[in-house]
Amino acid sequence: QAVLTQPSSLSASPGASASLTCTLRSGINVGTYRIYWYQQKPGSPPQYLLNYKSDSDKRQGSGVPSRFSGSKDASANAGILLISGLQSEDEADYFCMIWYSSAAVFGGGTKLTVL
Amino acid sequence: EVQLVESGGGLEQPGGSLRLSCAASGFTFSNYNMNWIRQVSGKGLEWVSYISGSSTTIYYADSVKGRFTISRDNVKNSLYLQMNSLRAEDTAVYYCTRDFSDWGQGTLVTVSS
Repeated sequence: QAVLTQPSSLSASPGASASLTCTLRSGINVGTYRIYWYQQKPGSPPQYLLNYKSDSDKRQGSGVPSRFSGSKDASANAGILLISGLQSEDEADYFCMIWYSSAAVFGGGTKLTVL
Repeated sequence: EVQLVESGGGLEQPGGSLRLSCAASGFTFSNYNMNWIRQVSGKGLEWVSYISGSSTTIYYADSVKGRFTISRDNVKNSLYLQMNSLRAEDTAVYYCTRDFSDWGQGTLVTVSS
């Protein structure tokens, strides 16, 4: 089982909110880890969006709109990237990452379609 | 403005070697940990290696351990990745990153006969 699991795709309508999940493997407690989120558009490198460990320990990337926010769902053992007020330009691949056992581990990514 | 510019990619045969470089500017290079992260075309991201600001701590992914060597020169503000015993599965775009926030544009490494 992968360390981080992301749904492969998600669709949402313009103006709506999208909740992208990053589920940690059983036995790896989401509360312990800082979760990083990245957005990648075709032909471009990933862009750092934010990292989230707790409400009091989080960092937004420079220039990243506040409609991108992070949280955790402890019951699901998952990190969440919430994108509110979806815009067509938000259509992209989104990756999560944690630093686990002296290595950076990425989720497989979620392709977000805004239609 | 933070700038990271990778170079050194190209076509190499299996078993060959390449040395990637990443020129950093716009920040105090020695204060930051750096990473190499790679991405196969159309696929996900794979972390390759980490080096602390003073080079005292280094980590590698299992897939490259013993074949790749990360290093840095804090005078030249440069990060390096020496890649030996290259395999077809090393074919990817290689990015250098400042911590896990700022990314370069990447350099393409193709391993093929």
